[in-house]
Amino acid sequence: AQKVTQAQTEISVVEKEDVTLDCVYETRDTTYYLFWYKQPPSGELVFLIRRNSFDEQNEISGRYSWNFQKSTSSFNFTITASQVVDSAVYFCALSEAVGSNSGYALNFGKGTSLLVTP
Amino acid sequence: DADVTQTPRNRITKTGKRIMLECSQTKGHDRMYWYRQDPGLGLRLIYYSFDVKDINKGEISDGYSVSRQAQAKFSLSLESAIPNQTALYFCATSDLQLGPAGEQFFGPGTRLTVL
Repeated sequence: AQKVTQAQTEISVVEKEDVTLDCVYETRDTTYYLFWYKQPPSGELVFLIRRNSFDEQNEISGRYSWNFQKSTSSFNFTITASQVVDSAVYFCALSEAVGSNSGYALNFGKGTSLLVTP
Repeated sequence: DADVTQTPRNRITKTGKRIMLECSQTKGHDRMYWYRQDPGLGLRLIYYSFDVKDINKGEISDGYSVSRQAQAKFSLSLESAIPNQTALYFCATSDLQLGPAGEQFFGPGTRLTVL
């Protein structure tokens, strides 16, 4: 069975610090997709990024960056110069096949709660 | 307007009551999902549907049932609610054409409390 582990349950940083959220996954598939979602205190789930298993280039989007390392089965997320608005729960997820009709669902990690204080 | 809507947004009910949570989407997606979120446990898949005639159980389907009334509507029912079904429930959709690459689009969530 596929599995996503986010070992950090809670992280607290002071504004402007850099912070990295870890995600380790297990899969037997050769082709797979990884995702990060953000859940701010308001509760909605916001898609941040999708990465396929063939693309190991790191990605940067503003203060956000993602480090995908297939050799260590990790897809870590770094926020540079954190801000109070970054306070949220962040979920890493792995797309996994379900059922017998070529369907897919997301297997989520348990999430990391990030608190950024002024 | 939101692409994926859920009603009600909040609900308090009593043990033993039947309750239905509704989800509608305007994204035109074939695939729809129901997840449950509990503190510290992430999101877990309850049921999913890949078209109107296709309903499948997820990881934690016991105590729940679903109905896919149309491509755009997917309802989740608790036949006899119990307190440990108190949770935040999310509906999601994804595009069949994108397969495993398809991101899921989530509704705003329904906060259910069973007393």
